[in-house]
Amino acid sequence: DAKTTQPPSMDCAEGRAANLPCNHSTISGNEYVYWYRQIHSQGPQYIIHGLKNNETNEMASLIITEDRKSSTLILPHATLRDTAVYYCIVRVAGSNDYKLSFGAGTTVTVRA
Amino acid sequence: DGGITQSPKYLFRKEGQNVTLSCEQNLNHDAMYWYRQDPGQGLRLIYYSQIVNDFQKGDIAEGYSVSREKKESFPLTVTSAQKNPTAFYLCASSIRHYSNQPQHFGDGTRLSIL
Repeated sequence: DAKTTQPPSMDCAEGRAANLPCNHSTISGNEYVYWYRQIHSQGPQYIIHGLKNNETNEMASLIITEDRKSSTLILPHATLRDTAVYYCIVRVAGSNDYKLSFGAGTTVTVRA
Repeated sequence: DGGITQSPKYLFRKEGQNVTLSCEQNLNHDAMYWYRQDPGQGLRLIYYSQIVNDFQKGDIAEGYSVSREKKESFPLTVTSAQKNPTAFYLCASSIRHYSNQPQHFGDGTRLSIL
């Protein structure tokens, strides 16, 4: 799997959009970008994933650059409950690579 | 609501005792997984199951056992052979093993030694 790079931490004001960057410059053509988050003492929560097109669901939007070397997760209206560690990972779909591996992630703190 | 239920939330093990962690899903997923998460560390795969009556060892299977008799259930037994069992245990499931669809997680069981 391609390696990802995320900033270690970021702050966000409640009610504002949170833009979380992820660099994956060595991504290959058949690797998807996935975002998860983990709130303290809870299991990881799947947020969104995509291959090359931008994606949106009820939780967030995923913007993938045209060259696919980076992406941004957007939480449109951050709330205090969005405070968590956010993980960006890339994985080949349809291969025998079944295990998830999280890096250090970005610790996001939403402030009132 | 569909989801993955892990129980209990907290579990304490005595020396020499086997304990079983429950994982149930109502998502109709074929594949299920058990991970271990230690403080400040990432996920490590213990066992996984692609389909009912089948399971495979992950990277750290020693001292653990599993069964997959029903599609909805994938219990993990931590045996007395596991010398360092204190950790946060996470169960996950996905639609199929070979798929771009994501793994979804339960809320975990925190196991400690008495």
